[in-house]
Formats: sequence, C-alpha cells, structure tokens
Amino acid sequence: EVQLVESGGGLVQPGRSLKLSCAASGFTFSNYGMHWIRQAPTKGLEWVASISPSGGSTYYRDSVKGRFTIYRDNAKSTLYLQMDSLRSEDTATYYCATDEDSHSYWGQGVMVTVSS
Amino acid sequence: DIQMTQSPSFLSASVGDRVTINCKASQNINRYLNWYQQKLGEAPKLLIYNANSLQTGIPSRFSGSGSGTDFTLTISSLQPEDVATYFCLQHNSWPRTFGGGTKLELK
Repeated sequence: EVQLVESGGGLVQPGRSLKLSCAASGFTFSNYGMHWIRQAPTKGLEWVASISPSGGSTYYRDSVKGRFTIYRDNAKSTLYLQMDSLRSEDTATYYCATDEDSHSYWGQGVMVTVSS
Repeated sequence: DIQMTQSPSFLSASVGDRVTINCKASQNINRYLNWYQQKLGEAPKLLIYNANSLQTGIPSRFSGSGSGTDFTLTISSLQPEDVATYFCLQHNSWPRTFGGGTKLELK
C-alpha cells in the first residue's frame, strides 16, 4: 500500500524557518517526481514546488523562489521542503504528492501556521 | 503562467442529474489536464488524468473530455457520495496551475 506521511508542521513566527518532511512507502520512491502542494484555509489548491526523480531538477512557484527549497533523500524515501523567511500568506495545509499519469498519491497534509 | 478558469464555482444538483464542470486554459495545454475530487477534510483524489483517462477504481459515471484549451468533467448520474469540491490541474508546463474549484452540493 502506498503511503505518504507528512510531518514538521506547526506554528511559526513570520521570518522564521520550518522544514517539512514526507516519508514515502509502498512504491519505488526514486522512480518518481514529487511535489508539494498547499491549500490555505477555505481556499483552493496551489502548487508550490516539484523535484525530479533524481533530485537534479527542481521547480518553484514565483512566490516561494529563493525562500523554499525542495529536496529528497532517495535512500530514505523521504521528500523535504525547507521553508525560510516565512510569511503569513504561507499559512496553509501542505500536501506532498506523487502524480504521474495514473500513479497519483497524496499525503493527508500537514498544517503550517505563520503568525506572531 | 497558464491561467485555469474553472466554472461554475458553485453547483447545486439533484441525485441522478447529469453534471458538467468546465476548465478553460489561457493557452494550449494539449491534453495535460487532470481532474481531482476533494471531500471535506480529506486530501484530493485523482479522478481523470490526461483529459480523458479514468483513474483506476473511479466509477464510470465520471468522464473527462477536451483538448487544447477547453475541458469538461462530466458526472453522468450524480450520487450522494459525489458531494465534494472538484479541481482541474494543468501539467503541460511550469508552474503547474489549478483551477479555482467547483463546490458541488445536493439540491
């Protein structure tokens, strides 16, 4: 059974940092691109960042470029999102996902609240 | 960036109704369009990938069509368990962009 389990969320002050993790199991992690997608309270979905299977290519939405870093450890089957210089508008539930054709699996999400 | 305009944003329908939800891309995305269902408090679930391919395990009352810039998700006969919010996603180019969502409720 495929599982994606996010961790590392919480309440953080503006300007501070937080690192999210996503532990994957049930599939060959190193074969698939991975994504972080977020959803602000009562809002729609917003793609945040993606990484290629090897980790050699990364993509970010403009609003997080230079502040967020996506990376992966294929030996540990774990995806990460390092979030620096957090802003109130980064408050959201963050989902990790793998989403290639029919191979689509999402974690249950982790809440990040940026507030003083 | 490619803008995805989803309509309607809210839809009320009766059990057994045929329901259609539309997504319009601001430029050609070929068939790189997915549809997701999100129930309250849950993660999104893939229904349709690449415009018209039904995900494994999804009931056949769900179907997708379209290519280029105009896409449609159809529920042929609405069931109570279909109450949810539906999103489209273009994966033709970076950045990936979602439609604004359609909240579907029972009349």
